[in-house]
Amino acid sequence: QQQVKQSPQSLIVQKGGISIINCAYENTAFDYFPWYQQFPGKGPALLIAIRPDVSEKKEGRFTISFNKSAKQFSLHIMDSQPGDSATYFCAASNWGTYKYIFGTGTRLKVLA
Amino acid sequence: DVKVTQSSRYLVKRTGEKVFLECVQDMDHENMFWYRQDPGLGLRLIYFSYDVKMKEKGDIPEGYSVSREKKERFSLILESASTNQTSMYLCASGPTDTFGSGTRLTVV
Repeated sequence: QQQVKQSPQSLIVQKGGISIINCAYENTAFDYFPWYQQFPGKGPALLIAIRPDVSEKKEGRFTISFNKSAKQFSLHIMDSQPGDSATYFCAASNWGTYKYIFGTGTRLKVLA
Repeated sequence: DVKVTQSSRYLVKRTGEKVFLECVQDMDHENMFWYRQDPGLGLRLIYFSYDVKMKEKGDIPEGYSVSREKKERFSLILESASTNQTSMYLCASGPTDTFGSGTRLTVV
């Protein structure tokens, strides 16, 4: 199966809170898991990515947690800010192919 | 910065028209992709290309074709536009995963 299931569909978080978005995949051959951030009127932009040889990757306020046995990965946004309000997509692929299966997206709103 | 430019921001076309969506990247990337983005469905891969004159079908190629005559340019062609092809179309270039700003196509 090629699906990547993403939840929640929308999320409202207070400024300073933690935003958590979850994704689950089915194809055990996937070995590259990027997250994209998309602002209105713009294309998605690569935010952070992980490969399954590590269980966590952190870049600033953004952290990916990866659970290979459960076939799940999640994005945590610490100290969420109004400027983080955007749509977030997870994706999965076979490393080096650049062919991504995307999740359906999560619309995040951070309240000031 | 890598730039991926899509020629039109908005397009309105009539059913049955042949439609060309153009995409140009300026970083000499070998890989280029076309996705469509629909609410609740995320991004779905239509076609991609790993080199000039090469093309491969993605997950939803029906009703579309592509052309890559030059390395920097990747065109998406709707042979006979239909209303179910109304969507946001996104071009991307790799290996830096850079997307254009999209073309919102409406077929009436």
